[in-house]
Amino acid sequence: KQEVTQIPAALSVPEGENLVLNCSFTDSAIYNLQWFRQDPGKGLTSLLLIQSSQREQTSGRLNASLDKSSGRSTLYIAASQPGDSATYLCAVRFGDYKLSFGAGTTVTVRA
Amino acid sequence: EAGVTQFPSHSVIEKGQTVTLRCDPISGHDNLYWYRRVMGKEIKFLLHFVKESKQDESGMPNNRFLAERTGGTYSTLKVQPAELEDSGVYFCASSPRTTTGELFFGEGSRLTVL
Repeated sequence: KQEVTQIPAALSVPEGENLVLNCSFTDSAIYNLQWFRQDPGKGLTSLLLIQSSQREQTSGRLNASLDKSSGRSTLYIAASQPGDSATYLCAVRFGDYKLSFGAGTTVTVRA
Repeated sequence: EAGVTQFPSHSVIEKGQTVTLRCDPISGHDNLYWYRRVMGKEIKFLLHFVKESKQDESGMPNNRFLAERTGGTYSTLKVQPAELEDSGVYFCASSPRTTTGELFFGEGSRLTVL
């Protein structure tokens, strides 16, 4: 069974600290992996998309790495800000068109 | 460019009633998907359209759910009759036909069945 796990479920950090969010998946034969952000009551905003042939993607303060052999992806957010408070979701496309989602990590950045 | 739009944003209905959710994908996107999150669970795939054709409806929970995509444009998801366990947030997403595989999601339609 293809599963996606995100640990921890919640994270609270002081402003300015770097955030490290983890995502693990059970099958290394992935097509791509997408990180999303969700604010309360809102939709999913795509942050980064990593293709299976890539090791990392960067956008501004965000950097996502992918290690297929160990079944892991990590999202780094540098110098966190209160506006980064949200739920971050990892979703894996295992080869068909479906995305398999993790349960998410809820981040609180304290001012 | 307009994103994926969904309507209504929130619907409250009684058990046994019918509800129809609508999704307008990004213009030109051939792929359209429905996902949902029920309370306390991960977001789960429901089905996938390519233009007006259903490619994969393996995630549809039962025959009370009917999805259509008229002319390959907007899509509707009808629940009839609704049950309590259908409560949740229904997300629509779209992507271009030739694509890196990035999906663009709408704001979701929250369904509450009383």
